[in-house]
Amino acid sequence: KNQVEQSPQSLIILEGKNCTLQCNYTVSPFSNLRWYKQDTGRGPVSLTIMTFSENTKSNGRYTATLDADTKQSSLHITASQLSDSASYICVVSAKPGGSYIPTFGRGTSLIVHP
Amino acid sequence: NAGVTQTPKFRVLKTGQSMTLLCAQDMNHEYMYWYRQDPGMGLRLIHYSVGEGTTAKGEVPDGYNVSRLKKQNFLLGLESAAPSQTSVYFCASSYGGVGQPQHFGDGTRLSIL
Repeated sequence: KNQVEQSPQSLIILEGKNCTLQCNYTVSPFSNLRWYKQDTGRGPVSLTIMTFSENTKSNGRYTATLDADTKQSSLHITASQLSDSASYICVVSAKPGGSYIPTFGRGTSLIVHP
Repeated sequence: NAGVTQTPKFRVLKTGQSMTLLCAQDMNHEYMYWYRQDPGMGLRLIHYSVGEGTTAKGEVPDGYNVSRLKKQNFLLGLESAAPSQTSVYFCASSYGGVGQPQHFGDGTRLSIL
């Protein structure tokens, strides 16, 4: 069964600090991995997408990494801001021919304190 | 620039009642999706559509029906609501399938008593 596990479940950091969120997956055959940010009361918004051949991608203060061999991804947030407080969701999709249905992780809830 | 709009935003139903959730997108996307999000769980796909007039079952389709009569609209129906269907429902759309970002609405919070 395709699964996506995220850790930690929740995280509290001080404004200005860095943090790293983890995602492990068992989705096969792998197509891509996407990180979403979900603010409270809103729908998820895409941050980055990683394909099999990519191992690092940045979007401003967000940097995602992918190790396709170990089936792990991380999302690193640099110099955190209060507006980074949100849930971060890892989503893994299989290749066409495999299950079309994307597999969502449960998310990591990040709280940034002033 | 509305993106994906869901109506209503909140609704309370009694067990056995029926209702329809409406999703509209103005991005000319081919693909549309309905998800449910429950506490402590990831989003789960209910049904999806790869184009006007098409629908397909997702991970948790039981108790729901959908229709895609127009490209811009995707309707989710509950024929006989059950307390287990209390959830936050999200609609999303994308230009293509796998690999394309999904654009989400802000959700419909549905409580069934």
